[in-house]
Amino acid sequence: EPEVTQTPSHQVTQMGQEVILRCVPISNHLYFYWYRQILGQKVEFLVSFYNNEISEKSEIFDDQFSVERPDGSNFTLKIRSTKLEDSAMYFCASTIQGDGTEAFFGQGTRLTVV
Amino acid sequence: RKEVEQDPGPFNVPEGATVAFNCTYSNSASQSFFWYRQDCRKEPKLLMSVYSSGNEDGRFTAQLNRASQYISLLIRDSKLSDSATYLCVVAHYNQGGKLIFGQGTELSVKP
Repeated sequence: EPEVTQTPSHQVTQMGQEVILRCVPISNHLYFYWYRQILGQKVEFLVSFYNNEISEKSEIFDDQFSVERPDGSNFTLKIRSTKLEDSAMYFCASTIQGDGTEAFFGQGTRLTVV
Repeated sequence: RKEVEQDPGPFNVPEGATVAFNCTYSNSASQSFFWYRQDCRKEPKLLMSVYSSGNEDGRFTAQLNRASQYISLLIRDSKLSDSATYLCVVAHYNQGGKLIFGQGTELSVKP
């Protein structure tokens, strides 16, 4: 079964450092997403991406965040200057269509900012 | 008001029990509805979509009441392997498939 893959599975970084979280969505999917989940809290939408541009972003997704699809397979989330409160599980997801059809999630990257 | 609200939980039930989860959503523009399952520290996985006519998948039955903005999930004959957090999720067609999650209800099925 096709799957969304994320790397790394766990990243520890110092406050103020830049991190890049990587995702390989399912190959025939067209819509890509990043979500985050702070420990003990709900899953929160960060950003959606379609046709090489952001289609929607949440209030969380401020100027410290950016997304990119540098080639035909990877989809990345960059946090420019990490804060302690960025510590969370980050999930990448992809869908064939952007109409609320089934989203497939990667296994997540646990980001710990120290 | 939270856009998606679920029963607080946790639910602790014996094997074989029937358990029901409730969820309400506040945005009438919501047009797709789902139940996802999340195991501890893992990614959410789709359990089932929810349709206005109601739908069933084995031991799982989902119901949607658009007038009341209410979604439910019924698990019959619960198994130990059903222990997980159940997430109520909605999506809006005009928001590019963005999913809005409830905070989840934890279920623990005991022998």
